[in-house]
Amino acid sequence: QVQLVESGGGVVQPGGSLRLSCAASGFTFSSYGMHWVRQAPGKGLEWVAFIRYDGSNKYYADSVKGRFTISRDNSKNTLYLQMNSLRAEDTAVYYCANTEAAAPKHWGQGTLVTVSS
Amino acid sequence: SYELTQPPSVSVSPGQTARITCSGDALPKKYPYWYQQKSGQAPVLVIYEDSKRPSGIPERFSGSSSGTMATLTISGAQVEDEADYYCYSTDSSGNHRGVFGGGTKLTVL
Repeated sequence: QVQLVESGGGVVQPGGSLRLSCAASGFTFSSYGMHWVRQAPGKGLEWVAFIRYDGSNKYYADSVKGRFTISRDNSKNTLYLQMNSLRAEDTAVYYCANTEAAAPKHWGQGTLVTVSS
Repeated sequence: SYELTQPPSVSVSPGQTARITCSGDALPKKYPYWYQQKSGQAPVLVIYEDSKRPSGIPERFSGSSSGTMATLTISGAQVEDEADYYCYSTDSSGNHRGVFGGGTKLTVL
């Protein structure tokens, strides 16, 4: 049973930083690429970032490039998203997902990030 | 930047066939994927690589594509299929930068 559990969300001021974590179980984490996807309140899904199974390549949406960093620790079965220089428009539920043929497959339940003063 | 375009809403009666479209210039080269998201829940993958169904997804869900248009078809839509549906793909640049369509609200009543 694939399980993905996000944590680390909360309220942060504009310009602040936050690190999200995604604990994975029920599959061979080190063999799969991983995604972060977000959803602003009442809005659609927005792809954020992808990291290959071994961390060798990382890809970002233009909206977060240079501010967010995706990483992983395969020894801990954990995916991370370091978010810096946060803006109000980064307010969203952040989901992690493993991959099916490189697209998001199984999703966690998400963690809410609120950027507000 | 690359975009996928979906209709904002589709409405059908129970038992009818619902069709949700997704258009994008790279779709002839890149597979479309489809997700169902019910209110307050995480998305669920219902179609991958254009027309394949993950295990546990009912057979009434199917996918197809032609040129720059992909279509999710729900044959004999049921009330429990009411949800938001999103298409997903990547651009044609050869990397893994993903993009979602704007989503389609399916109403079954």
